[in-house]
Amino acid sequence: AQKVTQAQTEISVVEKEDVTLDCVYETRDTTYYLFWYKQPPSGELVFLIRRNSFDEQNEISGRYSWNFQKSTSSFNFTITASQVVDSAVYFCALSGDTGGFKTIFGAGTRLFVKA
Amino acid sequence: DGGITQSPKYLFRKEGQNVTLSCEQNLNHDAMYWYRQDPGQGLRLIYYSQIVNDFQKGDIAEGYSVSREKKESFPLTVTSAQKNPTAFYLCASSLAGGLRETQYFGPGTRLLVL
Repeated sequence: AQKVTQAQTEISVVEKEDVTLDCVYETRDTTYYLFWYKQPPSGELVFLIRRNSFDEQNEISGRYSWNFQKSTSSFNFTITASQVVDSAVYFCALSGDTGGFKTIFGAGTRLFVKA
Repeated sequence: DGGITQSPKYLFRKEGQNVTLSCEQNLNHDAMYWYRQDPGQGLRLIYYSQIVNDFQKGDIAEGYSVSREKKESFPLTVTSAQKNPTAFYLCASSLAGGLRETQYFGPGTRLLVL
């Protein structure tokens, strides 16, 4: 079975702090994809990144960075110098061979960034 | 601008009533999805469609029905058989079905029971 665990339910930081959102996944698939989405208060999920299981290179995009480690089945997301606009719920998701069209979402981590 | 629209933003359902949530996309995507989101939980798949006139049940299809008569449209009906329909409903689409496809989401519909 496939599973995504985001153990941090809520995180609160002060603006300009760095924050890491954890994501641990379970799958028996060899080929799979991992995603991060952001859900701001408006409700619409916004795609942030996709990573396939064969590409363990870390990714940096502006203040965002992602650390993919197959050895620990983790795909963590770090926001550097957080801003109030980063306040949202962040979802990690997994799509694997055996899941077909199904994308499995974690429960999400709610991030509060205070000014 | 291309995107996904959902209507209405808020919907109220009376006991025993069927209601239909609209989802339209102009991204020319083949695949479309319906998810349900409950407070503090992730998204759960209700139905998905890879192509026109074809759809499959997701993990929580009971009490819901869909149709896919046009590529752009994938309406979801919440029937009276769904005993706990209060939730936030999200529609999504992707270029094609498949595990590597990124899904793009609409703004959602919040359904409340009177």
